[in-house]
Amino acid sequence: QQQVKQSPQSLIVQKGGISIINCAYENTAFDYFPWYQQFPGKGPALLIAIRPDVSEKKEGRFTISFNKSAKQFSLHIMDSQPGDSATYFCAARRGNTPLVFGKGTRLSVIA
Amino acid sequence: EAGVVQSPRYKIIEKKQPVAFWCNPISGHNTLYWYLQNLGQGPELLIRYENEEAVDDSQLPKDRFSAERLKGVDSTLKIQPAELGDSAVYLCASAPGTAGDNEQFFGPGTRLTVL
Repeated sequence: QQQVKQSPQSLIVQKGGISIINCAYENTAFDYFPWYQQFPGKGPALLIAIRPDVSEKKEGRFTISFNKSAKQFSLHIMDSQPGDSATYFCAARRGNTPLVFGKGTRLSVIA
Repeated sequence: EAGVVQSPRYKIIEKKQPVAFWCNPISGHNTLYWYLQNLGQGPELLIRYENEEAVDDSQLPKDRFSAERLKGVDSTLKIQPAELGDSAVYLCASAPGTAGDNEQFFGPGTRLTVL
């Protein structure tokens, strides 16, 4: 059973547009929700993370929206740029247990 | 500051051959992870170390996979014998600890191709 379900699988956005990637989770005990960005040939890198006691966190052009009752969280990339083209992974964990990753979303930002 | 170092970056072997991957974590990071990443998938944990102790190896296929972290620094992941289905990227990550939101820093991975 997949604990973190991510959608869409791939996304094409025009330069300057908003990219939105969604994740849904099953385990209500999860208490840490990060998003990772991965470029080809590189390992994933932490982009932004949120805890369930807040509904939104913003860092520059990147925002996480968190809906505890719906067990969903999403990544919004404002003013998307070609350099944002990468694969994005949502993840979740409970306490100090290992992260559980979604399957990833391949984002392409076209000029 | 140097990041997580992995070698080799690429490895091509025949099935049934042994293979080993090496990871040097960020200095001072006592937690080390090995992940498997299949094409188009997210990383899946194979094993987690706290210093030299393997604290979570429930997902490691122990019939063919083994790992060690001598002296609690560098780590080696071995597969013997390799199977076609082992073709994937093997990622190493390290963290300063295991507390809730300690960031994991990933290495570039080793891409294994088994022919």
